[in-house]
Amino acid sequence: IAGITQAPTSQILAAGRRMTLRCTQDMRHNAMYWYRQDLGLGLRLIHYSNTAGTTGKGEVPDGYSVSRANTDDFPLTLASAVPSQTSVYFCASSTDGHNEQFFGPGTRLTVL
Amino acid sequence: GQNIDQPTEMTATEGAIVQINCTYQTSGFNGLFWYQQHAGEAPTFLSYNVLDGLEEKGRFSSFLSRSKGYSYLLLKELQMKDSASYLCAVGDSNYQLIWGAGTKLIIKP
Repeated sequence: IAGITQAPTSQILAAGRRMTLRCTQDMRHNAMYWYRQDLGLGLRLIHYSNTAGTTGKGEVPDGYSVSRANTDDFPLTLASAVPSQTSVYFCASSTDGHNEQFFGPGTRLTVL
Repeated sequence: GQNIDQPTEMTATEGAIVQINCTYQTSGFNGLFWYQQHAGEAPTFLSYNVLDGLEEKGRFSSFLSRSKGYSYLLLKELQMKDSASYLCAVGDSNYQLIWGAGTKLIIKP
């Protein structure tokens, strides 16, 4: 692994299903983030983690949950997907909250 | 509320210079970032300003005026590969980034 990876690349999901988007970084960054990007809107922060073991809510956290059991992994879970969660999801990391963020390649999620 | 404004779309000619403006109103200020995002790809970091003035990095420069809540990204000697969206983001009082919707830059030969 080099940098930050996400899986899956894309997914079509039936409404009501549970889904976990995976994010892994090998840069030993303390801070990690989950964003969604929708056409015409800026990136919106869903959840973040400043360090392993801690998480916080961003601008649009409803319907999503995260965990940060270790430094490298930061999965995002949709407990019961709804069509409004159709979006491109980006995971990002930074050395701490003060520096530039490095982004994963994104997951394109469609909820039908 | 918090707000980042930048033009939706701009068009420029290969070899020319283009300036992309960004104005912001945020709760606190902890730096302004510019990112480039090619279609279907992830954003990549371009520049960071925390003090007033101009930061130059090759063909790209970024300017900040904190008193005016204003920044611009200047791209010189435009190349076709510069066709992309340019995202302005501001670190707020909690060091979270507030993002503009992005400016789609179209380069014509």
